[in-house]
Amino acid sequence: DVKVTQSSRYLVKRTGEKVFLECVQDMDHENMFWYRQDPGLGLRLIYFSYDVKMKEKGDIPEGYSVSREKKERFSLILESASTNQTSMYLCASIPPRQGAFSAGYTFGSGTRLTVV
Amino acid sequence: AQSVTQLGSHVSVSEGALVLLRCNYSSSVPPYLFWYVQYPNQGLQLLLKYTTGATLVKGINGFEAEFKKSETSFHLTKPSAHMSDAAEYFCAVSDLLRGTYKYIFGTGTRLKVLA
Repeated sequence: DVKVTQSSRYLVKRTGEKVFLECVQDMDHENMFWYRQDPGLGLRLIYFSYDVKMKEKGDIPEGYSVSREKKERFSLILESASTNQTSMYLCASIPPRQGAFSAGYTFGSGTRLTVV
Repeated sequence: AQSVTQLGSHVSVSEGALVLLRCNYSSSVPPYLFWYVQYPNQGLQLLLKYTTGATLVKGINGFEAEFKKSETSFHLTKPSAHMSDAAEYFCAVSDLLRGTYKYIFGTGTRLKVLA
């Protein structure tokens, strides 16, 4: 079975800290995504990457950056954490281009980040 | 751009009753449509998907959904609710963004099953 692993289930960080959220997939997928999930807002796309060292902004990239140095790993970085970034963060991946349109995402189990 | 509307952020049904969760989408091209389920403190799991072919799609745990192009709908149903169905459900539609594929999600419907 395919697997997307997020390194932390729960994180508590202080305002102003630099925060790294890690996501690793074992499926050789090219496309990877970071979403945040908030009650009543559903899932909103922060950043995505379609290849190593390639990244694209999603709908809400402000306050975030990403890193994709290796195909299997996609990291989300909060440059200076703020309380409004308290949320559930979900990583997802999808197969290469020819299968992507119909395959559906494989999601990680999520990281619940609290910024105090 | 595509969009998804889920009617009802909270739905309650009695155990054994019909489950109906509504999803409408807007799309300028034939869409691929998905339903995901999220149990507490977990990621999203694919329930079912419509790509092409038969418009009635069966998924896991006894759920099914019907793609109705004329109504731009993809409602999720289950004949008889079980306590274990209590979760949040998300409808999603495919979109092509800057040369790669992503999905647009609805805001979710939390299903409560009453004993």
